[in-house]
Amino acid sequence: DIQMTQSPSTLSASVGDRVTITCRASQSINSWLAWYQQKPGKAPRLLIYEASSLESGVPSRFSGSGSGTEFTLTISSLQPDDFASYYCQQYNSYSLTFGGGTKVEIK
Amino acid sequence: QVQLVESGGGVVQPGRSLRLSCAASGFVFSSYGMHWVRQAPGKGLEWVAVIGYDEIVQYYADSMKGRFTISRDNSKNTVYLQMNSPRADDTAVYYCAKGRGSLLHHFDSWGQGTLVTVSS
Repeated sequence: DIQMTQSPSTLSASVGDRVTITCRASQSINSWLAWYQQKPGKAPRLLIYEASSLESGVPSRFSGSGSGTEFTLTISSLQPDDFASYYCQQYNSYSLTFGGGTKVEIK
Repeated sequence: QVQLVESGGGVVQPGRSLRLSCAASGFVFSSYGMHWVRQAPGKGLEWVAVIGYDEIVQYYADSMKGRFTISRDNSKNTVYLQMNSPRADDTAVYYCAKGRGSLLHHFDSWGQGTLVTVSS
């Protein structure tokens, strides 16, 4: 299976901060990577797919980049609604895998 | 709009069976791969299985192979997860998710989840 390693696991930030989350794959996944946001007690929500494509309805402060084995999710100016957990997911293989998650907390 | 509604969760004894269902609406169900994803209490997301649009092709996470079976009925717009011989570490919220494409893709819509607790 392709292993996905996210960092950091927890991130403390303030409203207005620029936030970057990293996801590394154990082998190349080309650009077959998605990012999700999840709030407590809720289902995940798709933010980014194919590494850098913004899902319809998602604010433009979210962006994704990378290819191969290294990827980033950036929130350009953190808003109160953005405090949540974030997960990457690869879909390059017959066994889909998620990263361990990053919890974005209020500083 | 897309709606996915899971049902069938609850408390199940180790070794007994349980079948989860997910009723879909708001899209052409027979054109998309459908997935199950789970989340143990306080833990991250774990992909369980996918079934292709054709009701035939299936793939599973290694830890679920041989114990869980995914199926779908395109005439009923419903996907199922048969859980045989569940273990305590199968305790989780189980989400049904729609793939963006016909088989292996990201997930563009999710249900609200159904909690399965494996306990004697």
